[in-house]
Amino acid sequence: IAGITQAPTSQILAAGRRMTLRCTQDMRHNAMYWYRQDLGLGLRLIHYSNTAGTTGKGEVPDGYSVSRANTDDFPLTLASAVPSQTSVYFCASSGTSGGGTDTQYFGPGTRLTVL
Amino acid sequence: GQSLEQPSEVTAVEGAIVQINCTYQTSGFYGLSWYQQHDGGAPTFLSYNALDGLEETGRFSSFLSRSDSYGYLLLQELQMKDSASYFCAVFNTGGFKTIFGAGTRLFVKA
Repeated sequence: IAGITQAPTSQILAAGRRMTLRCTQDMRHNAMYWYRQDLGLGLRLIHYSNTAGTTGKGEVPDGYSVSRANTDDFPLTLASAVPSQTSVYFCASSGTSGGGTDTQYFGPGTRLTVL
Repeated sequence: GQSLEQPSEVTAVEGAIVQINCTYQTSGFYGLSWYQQHDGGAPTFLSYNALDGLEETGRFSSFLSRSDSYGYLLLQELQMKDSASYFCAVFNTGGFKTIFGAGTRLFVKA
């Protein structure tokens, strides 16, 4: 693995189903983030984690949950998917757990369609 | 509230210089970053300004005025491959409540 990976690449999901988007990084970064990107709205922060064992809410957390059991993995779960969660989801990581000076490195994204 | 404003689209010709502006309103400010995103790709980091002034990285420069809550990205010697979306992002106090602008779509034409 080099950098940050996401799975699946794309997914079509029936409304009401549960779905977990996976994110793994091998850079030993403390901080990780989940964003959704919708046309015309840019990137919006869903949840973040500044270090293993801690998580926080971003701009649009409703309907999503995250966990950070270890440094490398940061899965995002949709407990009961709704069509408004159709979006492209990006996971990102950055090097330190404080301040805004760190570059965020983004995964390739997951394109999710909820029908 | 917190918000960033940037133009939705900019068009320029190959070889020219283009400036993409970003104004922000945030409850706490740490620094302003710029990211580039090509169609179908992931955002990639371009530059970061924590202090007032100009930061230069090759053909790209970024400027910040904290007193005016304003910054810009300057792209020189435009190339066709610069056609992409450019996002400004504010890291507010604590660094984790990252707010991105809606993005500026840059079209470079021959």
